[in-house]
Amino acid sequence: DAGVIQSPRHEVTEMGQEVTLRCKPISGHDYLFWYRQTMMRGLELLIYFNNNVPIDDSGMPEDRFSAKMPNASFSTLKIQPSEPRDSAVYFCASSLGGGGTDTQYFGPGTRLTVL
Amino acid sequence: AQKITQTQPGMFVQEKEAVTLDCTYDTSDPSYGLFWYKQPSSGEMIFLIYQGSYDQQNATEGRYSLNFQKARKSANLVISASQLGDSAMYFCAMVLLGTASKLTFGTGTRLQVTL
Repeated sequence: DAGVIQSPRHEVTEMGQEVTLRCKPISGHDYLFWYRQTMMRGLELLIYFNNNVPIDDSGMPEDRFSAKMPNASFSTLKIQPSEPRDSAVYFCASSLGGGGTDTQYFGPGTRLTVL
Repeated sequence: AQKITQTQPGMFVQEKEAVTLDCTYDTSDPSYGLFWYKQPSSGEMIFLIYQGSYDQQNATEGRYSLNFQKARKSANLVISASQLGDSAMYFCAMVLLGTASKLTFGTGTRLQVTL
């Protein structure tokens, strides 16, 4: 079975540009999560969806960040405009259900560098 | 709010030896789950093992076992018969059951397996 798929794997952009990260969750998984990993802050949950509906976006750092899930097999995380401090590895993860007992399976991550 | 503490920033172990990676957690909620993930240098997050707060027995998955001491609020990962491929960052994470899988991660422990 295919795991969580993320694209691109690496993204280098200049400050002020729009960046779109993409994620395809594991088929049949109802929950999708976006995380950010930095040396300073570790792994942080940005937002998660249940059945394509955003449930909690309290981790989204500011209005420059937005996430969508138009269908069960696709989600995007957009940063507009991007800033150097957005440089990080962004992970997408999915799980079969919620409630805490379901394992979250992570994608390979997108390494974003904003110059 | 829950908190995960991993006090060992780095650990060394010889090949074929066992190693214990420490994890303590803090929550007042009686219902929670604990996860361990491995992050090799390639960057992906790999699920290793799960322990629920009501589980009577310590979780085991192959060479991985979780030493769960509820009264001490610790959930240490034990890797037996270490292999060179075990060299990686290891993250302990916690979720409150019934809260839709919002994982809180520790800062990680870097394990280096030597010959």
